[in-house]
Amino acid sequence: AQKITQTQPGMFVQEKEAVTLDCTYDTSDQSYGLFWYKQPSSGEMIFLIYQGSYDEQNATEGRYSLNFQKARKSANLVISASQLGDSAMYFCAMRGSLGGYQKVTFGIGTKLQVIP
Amino acid sequence: ETGVTQSPTHLIKTRGQQVTLRCSSQSGHNTVSWYQQALGQGPQFIFQYYREEENGRGNFPPRFSGLQFPNYSSELNVNALELDDSALYLCASSLRSGQANEKLFFGSGTQLSVL
Repeated sequence: AQKITQTQPGMFVQEKEAVTLDCTYDTSDQSYGLFWYKQPSSGEMIFLIYQGSYDEQNATEGRYSLNFQKARKSANLVISASQLGDSAMYFCAMRGSLGGYQKVTFGIGTKLQVIP
Repeated sequence: ETGVTQSPTHLIKTRGQQVTLRCSSQSGHNTVSWYQQALGQGPQFIFQYYREEENGRGNFPPRFSGLQFPNYSSELNVNALELDDSALYLCASSLRSGQANEKLFFGSGTQLSVL
């Protein structure tokens, strides 16, 4: 079974500061992928960043980076230079090899609010 | 490039009724997945369609069913609606890779309220 845990229901960050959103996962899969999605109030889930379980380097996409610590089973999202438009829900998710990679399991999310 | 579109955006039904939600996948994508997102929760996997066949299903009863059409668009049907079916239903399309790096591209969802 796959499980994603996000323990921060809400976070505040000052504009232009960096923020880390926590994510831990549990799986018996050897091959899996980790994702972060952003969900603004409009409802659409927007892909931010991907990290494969065999990737040795942390993924980066612009202002987003993923702090991947495989032994600790954590995949924290770091947003640098926060902007007001970053205010949204953020979901950590995983796709695993068991079941043929068909299912993506999501966490409960973290609500990020950027303060001017 | 056309993104994922869902219709309707909002829907109100009464308990026991049936509902059909529709989704057009992003151009170039051949796989559609449906997720249910209850208030304050993360999305939960309902099922996935590839080549017009269901090829993965989450922990949802048979009254949740779907279709995928030759143009890769999809429908989600829910029979005998229950109050707990009230949620945001998200459709996601992808280009099936059969690997962990397959990215989902989501629509804005259909907000279903069951009274």
